[in-house]
Amino acid sequence: QITLKESGPTLVKPTQTLTLTCTFSGFSLSTSGVGVGWIRQPPGKALEWLALIYWNDDKRYSPSLKSRLTITKDTSKNQVVLTMTNMDPVDTATYYCAHLAAMGFFDYWGQGTLVTVSS
Amino acid sequence: EIVLTQSPGTLSLSPGERATLSCRASQSVSSSYLAWYQQKPGQAPRLLIYGASSRATGIPDRFSGSGSGTDFTLTISRLEPEDFAVYYCQQYGSLWTFGQGTKVEIK
Repeated sequence: QITLKESGPTLVKPTQTLTLTCTFSGFSLSTSGVGVGWIRQPPGKALEWLALIYWNDDKRYSPSLKSRLTITKDTSKNQVVLTMTNMDPVDTATYYCAHLAAMGFFDYWGQGTLVTVSS
Repeated sequence: EIVLTQSPGTLSLSPGERATLSCRASQSVSSSYLAWYQQKPGQAPRLLIYGASSRATGIPDRFSGSGSGTDFTLTISRLEPEDFAVYYCQQYGSLWTFGQGTKVEIK
């Protein structure tokens, strides 16, 4: 059974760096074809894909946010970490991590964590 | 970047009615790499359809997907009370992008 759970601060100040951790079980990020992605959703708005890391450490970023994002993995801990620099109130959102199926879609999602950016 | 435009923004229907949701891409989606998700308030999205027309595990057969190229459709044949939610399309042929969503609400 695949499960994912996001953790991190619920409140960050403008200009600070956000660090979120996705802890998962039921699969290994060392298995060929596997990936974990991050997606966010501002309150009342649509989903936005942010970043993805593959089993082989290949990484993909949203072009519009690439300069602010870094995604890494710790295979031994079954964790994926997303950092986002220079946080702004418009970055207030629920942040989800999700398992990437071999065919390329997100088939399992975490429950999400709400991050508020405010001074 | 492939932009996905969903229509209508809101669909007001009664239980038992048929729902037809549209998703149009700004350029062709390779190999029909198009998925649909359902999201209810306070919950994470749930995968319904992948590959434009394949149902995910456990998804009832009243949900069906069709289309190719730039035009895709999600059809719910007969709406059940639990189907009232927001639906998103997503392409995964060139990075990943989501549509803005269609809300299916009770009329």
